[in-house]
Amino acid sequence: QVRLQESGPGLVKPSETLSLICNVSGASIGRGDDYWTWIRQTAAKRLEWIGRIYPTGVTHYNPSLTSRVTMSLDKWKSQYFLTLRSVTAADTATYFCARSRYYDSLGYYYEDMWGQGARVTVSA
Amino acid sequence: EILLTQSPATLSLSPGEEAILSCRASESVKSYFAWYQQKSDQPPRLLIYDASKRAAGTPVRFSGSGSGTDFTLTINSLQPEDFAFYYCQQRYSGLSFGGGTRLEIK
Repeated sequence: QVRLQESGPGLVKPSETLSLICNVSGASIGRGDDYWTWIRQTAAKRLEWIGRIYPTGVTHYNPSLTSRVTMSLDKWKSQYFLTLRSVTAADTATYFCARSRYYDSLGYYYEDMWGQGARVTVSA
Repeated sequence: EILLTQSPATLSLSPGEEAILSCRASESVKSYFAWYQQKSDQPPRLLIYDASKRAAGTPVRFSGSGSGTDFTLTINSLQPEDFAFYYCQQRYSGLSFGGGTRLEIK
């Protein structure tokens, strides 16, 4: 069974860097058709896509965040990572990692497995 | 960026009733569209993909319809466990979510 689990500091100071890890079990993140995604949810319950990383290491980011975001993966540890630089209070959210699974009916991907989320607060 | 507008923001119904949730896209997303359910302190759960296909484990009382810019999630005969938040998602251009509909017990 595929499981994802986020980890990282719950409190980050403004202007500093937020770093999160997603631990994946039950699936190989270094191969296959799936890719690996970060999504965040604000206190107002709005969901925002942050970005995705393919098993090859290729990344795509939300244009609104691309200047501050980096994603990477370590297939041997079955982990992938999110770094968000120069954070502000607006980055306070629950951060989810999720598997984006390939569905061959129309040939698109959807998030079918999610971690429980990591709550991150940006505050001095 | 494609904007998704969900309506209503809150829907108050009783168990056994039918729920109809709507989502409108600011431009066509064809059928690259999904519905997610989220309960308190849980991550979203994929219910419907490709606008009308039920994901694994989704009960048959959930059905999705629509294409282009207008989409509907219908829940027949509401069960107590169906009262939750529902989000629509498009991935035709980038990836974005609607603001959500809260389905609450009347």
